Amino acid sequence: DGGITQSPKYLFRKEGQNVTLSCEQNLNHDAMYWYRQDPGQGLRLIYYSQIVNDFQKGDIAEGYSVSREKKESFPLTVTSAQKNPTAFYLCASGNRGSNEKLFFGSGTQLSVL
Amino acid sequence: DQQVKQNSPSLSVQEGRISILNCDYTNSMFDYFLWYKKYPAEGPTFLISISSIKDKNEDGRFTVFLNKSAKHLSLHIVPSQPGDSAVYFCAGYDDMRFGAGTRLTVKP
Repeated sequence: DGGITQSPKYLFRKEGQNVTLSCEQNLNHDAMYWYRQDPGQGLRLIYYSQIVNDFQKGDIAEGYSVSREKKESFPLTVTSAQKNPTAFYLCASGNRGSNEKLFFGSGTQLSVL
Repeated sequence: DQQVKQNSPSLSVQEGRISILNCDYTNSMFDYFLWYKKYPAEGPTFLISISSIKDKNEDGRFTVFLNKSAKHLSLHIVPSQPGDSAVYFCAGYDDMRFGAGTRLTVKP
């Protein structure tokens, strides 16, 4: 089955800890994205990558880091510098070009202990 | 700076009536606009899109209208069904910025 998979579904972070959210896709998409959703709010872009070994900051990149070593994978690390990490994180992938919609994973809920 | 705005956080309509969800944008470089539907604790799913060179796109009960001079687009759902109850996001395709979403409730 082709799709985009996020893991884990739920994640807890202790104070001062870095945590990494996984995102894998087998849709052969070039572009991948990370969004954050806070309760009652929309999707805010954290980072995106249009091609392997390249990525750009979105609107709220501070306190986050990413890597894109493989086309299929785009992990997001929430660092200790992110002071308010509790949120629902969504990963998406798509192909650059005309009329390309994004496919989303099912999300990871991150909470602080 | 928010490039895509949905100014109505919620909308409630009666089953069978029309739902109209609105979206404004500031980035003239958007090539496409897309609407997504989202249920709680799930990822959004694509609903319908429109190219910036068109002013209307229709898909079954869903129609999106684009007014480029006003930098405004709207999603019409006719007739509305209870299963349409969800949060709807509009997005501009140029690195994919989303609006804040509108929660639609369709009452039986």
